[in-house]
Amino acid sequence: SQQGEEDPQALSIQEGENATMNCSYKTSINNLQWYRQNSGRGLVHLILIRSNEREKHSGRLRVTLDTSKKSSSLLITASRAADTASYFCATASGAQKLVFGQGTRLTINP
Amino acid sequence: DTAVSQTPKYLVTQMGNDKSIKCEQNLGHDTMYWYKQDSKKFLKIMFSYNNKELIINETVPNRFSPKSPDKAHLNLHINSLELGDSAVYFCASSPHSSGGGSYEQYFGPGTRLTVT
Repeated sequence: SQQGEEDPQALSIQEGENATMNCSYKTSINNLQWYRQNSGRGLVHLILIRSNEREKHSGRLRVTLDTSKKSSSLLITASRAADTASYFCATASGAQKLVFGQGTRLTINP
Repeated sequence: DTAVSQTPKYLVTQMGNDKSIKCEQNLGHDTMYWYKQDSKKFLKIMFSYNNKELIINETVPNRFSPKSPDKAHLNLHINSLELGDSAVYFCASSPHSSGGGSYEQYFGPGTRLTVT
């Protein structure tokens, strides 16, 4: 069953702007992860945030987690053309299993 | 130096045929996975193996049979291929989490299967 739902499904912004993607989920989680997928490639892990964490940073990435609202957001600051990709959230609820959302397709226009 | 590799990258075959996809990881991970990504980019887990033992089987038709000869390899064999099997299949690996939850997963480049 699909757990995470990303919003928006597609996002197009100008280079240099910030991009925000949201993820909502339904059940309790151990952690939530964000992945990037470039066209025709495999997924690349970006960041993992545990259920007892509220915010995490990695370079130009900022992830927040609100377990009371069952939602997370991924912010990419100062976007670059190379950030063009699909971004997926994935929830971990135990048993070594990740459940992925349907992804946000991000396009950065030069 | 590829961490998770899959072969072949592309596979075009006719309905009814049997085919296999191979996956190897050199990360020393205990757990490996097979995912299916459909045309709408929805990614769904199919199987998970921990140290050659099946731990997740997500109601996949029994035409799909994973095989793990050792913890670095997880192959996927598909019998009697159907049109609906057309998708991109991804292999992934991760360290094993004995306390529940999941570590980050490392994905292979994918195998695009087209059934005609």
